[in-house]
Amino acid sequence: SAVISQKPSRDICQRGTSLTIQCQVDSQVTMMFWYRQQPGQSLTLIATANQGSEATYESGFVIDKFPISRPNLTFSTLTVSNMSPEDSSIYLCSVEEPTDTQYFGPGTRLTVL
Amino acid sequence: SQQGEEDPQALSIQEGENATMNCSYKTSINNLQWYRQNSGRGLVHLILIRSNEREKHSGRLRVTLDTSKKSSSLLITASRAADTASYFCATDAGDDKIIFGKGTRLHILP
Repeated sequence: SAVISQKPSRDICQRGTSLTIQCQVDSQVTMMFWYRQQPGQSLTLIATANQGSEATYESGFVIDKFPISRPNLTFSTLTVSNMSPEDSSIYLCSVEEPTDTQYFGPGTRLTVL
Repeated sequence: SQQGEEDPQALSIQEGENATMNCSYKTSINNLQWYRQNSGRGLVHLILIRSNEREKHSGRLRVTLDTSKKSSSLLITASRAADTASYFCATDAGDDKIIFGKGTRLHILP
């Protein structure tokens, strides 16, 4: 299975600032996904990021707030822009393998003050 | 939006007992996956079951799928303290996106 790493593992940020989260995979994958998990909740898909095309956002999520880059088949970034305390969540990236199994990174725990 | 609904929302059992969690979903699926999450950390993939499969096993885990009822169950046999975690089902409707249920919080009592 793919090995996925995320940076940073956690951060505490001030309101109004932005944070970029990195996701690195140890193999080339076509599809990468970004999820948000608010405190005590389940995971919600933010967007699908395919290399060479713009990310596809789910309802309720917009590019201006969550810009995503996918420069190659092993790396992606998610930026949380103009943060507010409501953005405090765990952000996870995932990849889909040819077996259809999705594997997740360890997550980035974000606290916005 | 949530596709799956797990029940119960929370479950406490004695160590050594079996734990059963259920997942219901709304639309047709290609596959269904179960995950475990310990204390808000990363998700661990447990099992993927495809729409043409009815049952799969992995160690102490057994997953069933009933597409006519749009439901799945996860059975953990001979539970251990280390099984204490949240368990999520996630469905793939064929568009490669997986949608998560709300999860079941399982607590194994010593």
